[in-house]
Amino acid sequence: NAGVTQTPKFRILKIGQSMTLQCAQDMNHNYMYWYRQDPGMGLKLIYYSVGAGITDKGEVPNGYNVSRSTTEDFPLRLELAAPSQTSVYFCASKGQGGSYEQYFGPGTRLTVT
Amino acid sequence: QQQVKQSPQSLIVQKGGISIINCAYENTAFDYFPWYQQFPGKGPALLIAIRPDVSEKKEGRFTISFNKSAKQFSLHIMDSQPGDSATYFCAANYYGGSQGNLIFGKGTKLSVKP
Repeated sequence: NAGVTQTPKFRILKIGQSMTLQCAQDMNHNYMYWYRQDPGMGLKLIYYSVGAGITDKGEVPNGYNVSRSTTEDFPLRLELAAPSQTSVYFCASKGQGGSYEQYFGPGTRLTVT
Repeated sequence: QQQVKQSPQSLIVQKGGISIINCAYENTAFDYFPWYQQFPGKGPALLIAIRPDVSEKKEGRFTISFNKSAKQFSLHIMDSQPGDSATYFCAANYYGGSQGNLIFGKGTKLSVKP
């Protein structure tokens, strides 16, 4: 199993551009999450999904959108990129049945200039 | 209060020493307290976790101490090794709507000197 994969690893965007961060998991997990990590600030939840077709906002959703058309994939869309979205983005997944452990991908480092 | 306060921000320990990282919370509805370890350029990975009905959990050199009345929990790394140098995050699980999500502390960067 590859676990949780994310693409791209690095990206530089200009202000106002848009992009999609890709996330996929092969563990048949129902729950998937997007976090952003800023230096000294821990991880902040952007959006999460409890299954295909179901998504909900986390703590910091402004400027982002998500969709979940399949169990495996959970892309994060940035529209009109702003410097405040410069961050490292992590996708994670979690199985059901009482499991609390989240499995994280390797991250995408995004710079908006 | 949906916060987990973590200290210190950074920690330097000599090889063989004990590393101690502390976290505090306010919300008594939190029901699961994990610690995640993150190496540079990698995603966080679960290290050890505890539920609030247990006061201590040990896995190898890593121990969580949990004080429910004080709303505090801590990670102890015994016989710290240079390979333990990483950033450590405490977290707490809360239920928002129908499912649980994690609230993370701000992290502690641990450096273990040889």
